[in-house]
This record gives sequence, C-alpha cells and structure tokens, in this order.
Amino acid sequence: TQLLEQSPQFLSIQEGENLTVYCNSSSVFSSLQWYRQEPGEGPVLLVTVVTGGEVKKLKRLTFQFGDARKDSSLHITAAQPGDTGLYLCAGRSRTPLVFGKGTRLSVIA
Amino acid sequence: NAGVMQNPRHLVRRRGQEARLRCSPVKGHSHVYWYRQLPEEGLKFMVYLQKENIIDESGMPKERFSAEFPKEGPSILRIQQVVRGDSAAYFCASSPQRGGPYEQYFGPGTRLTVT
Repeated sequence: TQLLEQSPQFLSIQEGENLTVYCNSSSVFSSLQWYRQEPGEGPVLLVTVVTGGEVKKLKRLTFQFGDARKDSSLHITAAQPGDTGLYLCAGRSRTPLVFGKGTRLSVIA
Repeated sequence: NAGVMQNPRHLVRRRGQEARLRCSPVKGHSHVYWYRQLPEEGLKFMVYLQKENIIDESGMPKERFSAEFPKEGPSILRIQQVVRGDSAAYFCASSPQRGGPYEQYFGPGTRLTVT
C-alpha cells in the first residue's frame, strides 16, 4: 500500500513568516500534485511535478520534487492570511491518486 | 474548480434510505473519479470510471455502494441503505486523459449526513 505522510499536521504562523511543509513516502511516484482545500470546498490543484529534482514556483510558493521522486516540499514565503487552508499532496504511479492527510495551515494577521 | 459540478451540495438521509450523488465533469473530460473525505482526513479513492465503464473500483465497498457514468448525463454514486458511518464529504474529480501526469479537477463536494 502506498502511503504519503505529510508534516506537520497543523501549522499556525504569523503573517509575513516563511514556512515549509513536507510530503514523504517510501514509494516512487511518476508525478506528484499539490492541492489546497478551503473549508466546505473541493481541493484546488496548485501544481504538478513530474521530474526528480524539479522545482516549480507559483508566486510566493515554491514546490520541489525529490531526486528519487519519493518526496516533495512546499515552501511559502511571507505567508498571508489568504494562504490559510488545508494543503494536500497526492502521488500517482500505476494506481489512482494517493492522497496524504494534509497540513492544515493557519496564517494569523 | 475548473467546472466540475456536484449536486446536491448537502444531503441528509435517515439510516436505511438511499443516497444519490451526482457529478457533471468538466466539458470534454471523459474520466471521472469519486473520493470520500472524513473530517481531518485526506481523500480516499473510491472508484474510477470512463463513459459506460468502471475502470477501477478497488476503493469502493463491495456492498451498498455503486457508481455509473452513462453515455449521456452525469456520473452517479449511489449508496443504498445508508448507515451513520457513511456520513462524509464525497468529491468527484474529472480529467481529460488517463496516461501521463494527468491532473484531476475537483468539484465542490456533496456533504452527506446520515441521521
């Protein structure tokens, strides 16, 4: 069974701080996606990474896929209250998408 | 959410009743996926369908649950004789292709409450 472990589970920070959340597995994935989910809504796709070592930037968000394609990280610079939400990573190999349990981020103004 | 529509958004059923959840994928997408999410949990895959075919139902309970994606109309997730443990948010996602690093676009979900 493929598992994705996300850490930390909860994170509360002040506006303007930087943070990194992690997504780790013992399995290799052909691609990995990051989603953000707000209360009462469905997950919204942020990015897909495919190549080991790949780095993608989306404004203040930086996503990295590990060299071995088993792990990923999301770094947010100068967090804002609008970044608050549940961040989910999802990996795909031959099976359907496997989701982690997410990191619940709260950015306090 | 890239145009995936789900209805109803909220559904309340008494134990033993049937629940029908509908999903209209993004126009042009022929692949539909259903997931279940419990509070403070990630999404658990249930079933993957293409038009008129079930491709993978490995995550769906063998009893009481069924899914279809007819040639015309929305995909339906059907739960018969609901129990309290079925209370959850059910999300539908669609994608345009199966192979490669496809991306799934999620609907807003249906929140099922079984009383």
